[in-house]
Amino acid sequence: GENVEQHPSTLSVQEGDSAVIKCTYSDSASNYFPWYKQELGKRPQLIIDIRSNVGEKKDQRIAVTLNKTAKHFSLHITETQPEDSAVYFCAASTHAGNMLTFGGGTRLMVKP
Amino acid sequence: DTEVTQTPKHLVMGMTNKKSLKCEQHMGHRAMYWYKQKAKKPPELMFVYSYEKLSINESVPSRFSPECPNSSLLNLHLHALQPEDSALYLCASSQGLRAMMNTEAFFGQGTRLTVV
Repeated sequence: GENVEQHPSTLSVQEGDSAVIKCTYSDSASNYFPWYKQELGKRPQLIIDIRSNVGEKKDQRIAVTLNKTAKHFSLHITETQPEDSAVYFCAASTHAGNMLTFGGGTRLMVKP
Repeated sequence: DTEVTQTPKHLVMGMTNKKSLKCEQHMGHRAMYWYKQKAKKPPELMFVYSYEKLSINESVPSRFSPECPNSSLLNLHLHALQPEDSALYLCASSQGLRAMMNTEAFFGQGTRLTVV
């Protein structure tokens, strides 16, 4: 089955700095890579996703890059704000089903 | 309406109790999921329903019994649970498993279950 590794497990940045979170996956059949943000006590919410036919996708301060050959993808948050503080999960799934395998999570702390 | 609604929000049950978790969505999604999330861990897939039929059971113990009465509802029946089953149980839905392209999974707010 799919295995998703995520690094770092914790990340502390100063407000306004950039944050980068990296994930690797094992199943070459995976073709959908969402990123979820989960605030304490709340549901995971999709912030951005990318499919395997695209190398990069951007939405305002958030961008995701995908390297299919190396089987890794990354989340980039620019101009971080305190409200970006949360746990971020990467995930991967194949088109055979929308079953998500999550990475271990990154606790992002943005200091004012 | 992009909501997945779960009830109850919190549940405390004894090891001999029988209880049910409920999940509802009105987005016309045909795939629904149960995930289990322990503290400081990622969600782990338990069950997948596609078009009201059980599609995936990720080797979940029989004390957890899922049910999909119709395309909008998903239940998780609990019986004889153990304290280690205490966790946040998340329901999710997406357009369907037959789509050529995967689509966003919408999560409910979860039921925080404590087994005493």
